[in-house]
Amino acid sequence: EPEVTQTPSHQVTQMGQEVILRCVPISNHLYFYWYRQILGQKVEFLVSFYNNEISEKSEIFDDQFSVERPDGSNFTLKIRSTKLEDSAMYFCASSDSGFSNQPQHFGDGTRLSIL
Amino acid sequence: GENVEQHPSTLSVQEGDSAVIKCTYSDSASNYFPWYKQELGKRPQLIIDIRSNVGEKKDQRIAVTLNKTAKHFSLHITETQPEDSAVYFCAASIKAAGNKLTFGGGTRVLVKP
Repeated sequence: EPEVTQTPSHQVTQMGQEVILRCVPISNHLYFYWYRQILGQKVEFLVSFYNNEISEKSEIFDDQFSVERPDGSNFTLKIRSTKLEDSAMYFCASSDSGFSNQPQHFGDGTRLSIL
Repeated sequence: GENVEQHPSTLSVQEGDSAVIKCTYSDSASNYFPWYKQELGKRPQLIIDIRSNVGEKKDQRIAVTLNKTAKHFSLHITETQPEDSAVYFCAASIKAAGNKLTFGGGTRVLVKP
């Protein structure tokens, strides 16, 4: 069964540094998402992306965050200047048809630790 | 924006018993309600979902019910097994809002053998 893949599985970064989290969505999917989960808390929506542009973003997704689909397969989340509170598990998800809500399939996540 | 509340936060059941988790949502425009199971350190895994044009859906030992009028939906797991132990999250989404999922706070289910 096709899966969403994410790299790296764990990223340790100094505060203030830039970090790029990478995702390869399921190949025929059209909608892409980033979520984060702070340890022990609920999963929180960051951003959705469709047709090469942001569809929706949350208040968490401020100017420090950006997303990009640099080629036909990758979908990236960049945090420009990391803060301690950015430490979390970041999940990428994808879904296929945009006609109606379709199931979102999650990757294994990237654990981001900011020191 | 949408707010999803989930209860209980923890649930301990004896193997073979049923488990019920309840969620309420605030935005009547929500039209899609998935349930995810998350084992420790792993990805949320979709286990069942329901759309607003349906009142109930069943898949083997799991079922979901939706009451649009009351804006609540529930997950029912029958004949629980130790491998059902995990954190379960409900979620709601509105297609017009970029399909974003708003999650509940999660229910930690422990099935005791």
